Amino acid sequence: GQNIDQPTEMTATEGAIVQINCTYQTSGFNGLFWYQQHAGEAPTFLSYNVLDGLEEKGRFSSFLSRSKGYSYLLLKELQMKDSASYLCATSGFQKLVFGTGTRLLVSP
Amino acid sequence: GAGVSQSPRYKVAKRGQDVALRCDPISGHVSLFWYQQALGQGPEFLTYFQNEAQLDKSGLPSDRFFAERPEGSVSTLKIQRTQQEDSAVYLCASSFQVQVGSYEQYFGPGTRLTVT
Repeated sequence: GQNIDQPTEMTATEGAIVQINCTYQTSGFNGLFWYQQHAGEAPTFLSYNVLDGLEEKGRFSSFLSRSKGYSYLLLKELQMKDSASYLCATSGFQKLVFGTGTRLLVSP
Repeated sequence: GAGVSQSPRYKVAKRGQDVALRCDPISGHVSLFWYQQALGQGPEFLTYFQNEAQLDKSGLPSDRFFAERPEGSVSTLKIQRTQQEDSAVYLCASSFQVQVGSYEQYFGPGTRLTVT
């Protein structure tokens, strides 16, 4: 089976840095995805990690440790538009298994 | 280019009615997925197609749920005799499947189904 845990909600202020953690237990692992989902909208791809280490893409970075079953998404220079849910998902054979999502609220 | 589109965007059905939800994937995308997303939850896998072949339907919650993709492009998710617990957003996603395990899924806007 597969189990993914991430915090339900986080708050941060504009311009700050926030780290959203994700732990997982899975049988069969082909990588870990982070998606962003604004309320009422489709999830949009942020990052994909299959090897251990840090992947940086602009203001967003994602880290993976396969031995620890752990990932995090790092958001720098927070903007109001970053208020959204952030979904951690593991990929098995083709399908994605999502966590419940972390709702991030960015305040001025 | 055009993304994944879904119709209708909103559907209200009375308990017991049948509904059909449509997904138009990105042109050329081999793989197509259906997910169900309850309020405040992450999407949950329902079924997966590679071209017209349904390779995994392990997530379909009951035999009232049926999906098809007869020509390997447009897909329809049908729910028979809807129940209140079927109320959710139904998301469709497609991917080009360049490399197994290393693929980005592109999601449509979803169909919000409310069963009254």
